[in-house]
Amino acid sequence: GAVVSQHPSRVICKSGTSVKIECRSLDFQATTMFWYRQFPKQSLMLMATSNEGSKATYEQGVEKDKFLINHASLTLSTLTVTSAHPEDSSFYICSAPPAGTPRAVQYFGAGTRLSVL
Amino acid sequence: GENVEQHPSTLSVQEGDSAVIKCTYSDSASNYFPWYKQELGKGPQLIIDIRSNVGEKKDQRIAVTLNKTAKHFSLHITETQPEDSAVYFCAASGPNTNAGKSTFGDGTTLTVKP
Repeated sequence: GAVVSQHPSRVICKSGTSVKIECRSLDFQATTMFWYRQFPKQSLMLMATSNEGSKATYEQGVEKDKFLINHASLTLSTLTVTSAHPEDSSFYICSAPPAGTPRAVQYFGAGTRLSVL
Repeated sequence: GENVEQHPSTLSVQEGDSAVIKCTYSDSASNYFPWYKQELGKGPQLIIDIRSNVGEKKDQRIAVTLNKTAKHFSLHITETQPEDSAVYFCAASGPNTNAGKSTFGDGTTLTVKP
């Protein structure tokens, strides 16, 4: 099946620093990628939809300037958590449906555990 | 928008028994229903899916049933094994959303006791 690579798998940073998370589709092209946030023992919360070559679409309540998304190519989307604070600590997961897929099939990355001290 | 409810939130079964997880959805336009398995510290993995033009789909020990009239779908795991222990999420998506934008259930933690 299709593979989505997410990097890094874990990051620990100091409060006030910025953290970049990469999401790559390894064997397919993805014009759209999704970014989720997941708190312990909870479901996935969609943060934003990343669109190749255009601006991301953010869900209600998600700060655009806080969570910067760049989808510069058909295989790479990045999420940058700017000026991270302890409340940003969470599990961040990306997913990508292969371009042209008739169904809404999503392939997920392995996730990034962010811990802000 | 779409609303997906999933039950039960936790499920414990003995190895070899069957497990059933149920989901209901609200948007009658939804036409794609995947199920994901998430192991601790990992991303969700698609295990089976069903489209609205099909009532049942089976893949070895896993099956999914869909009742469009009642707007509910279920995951059935037979002959459960300890490695089936994980969190399972159902999801629903439809033609009126961006391709791939799904609404997820809250998850079911399945524990299979050896």
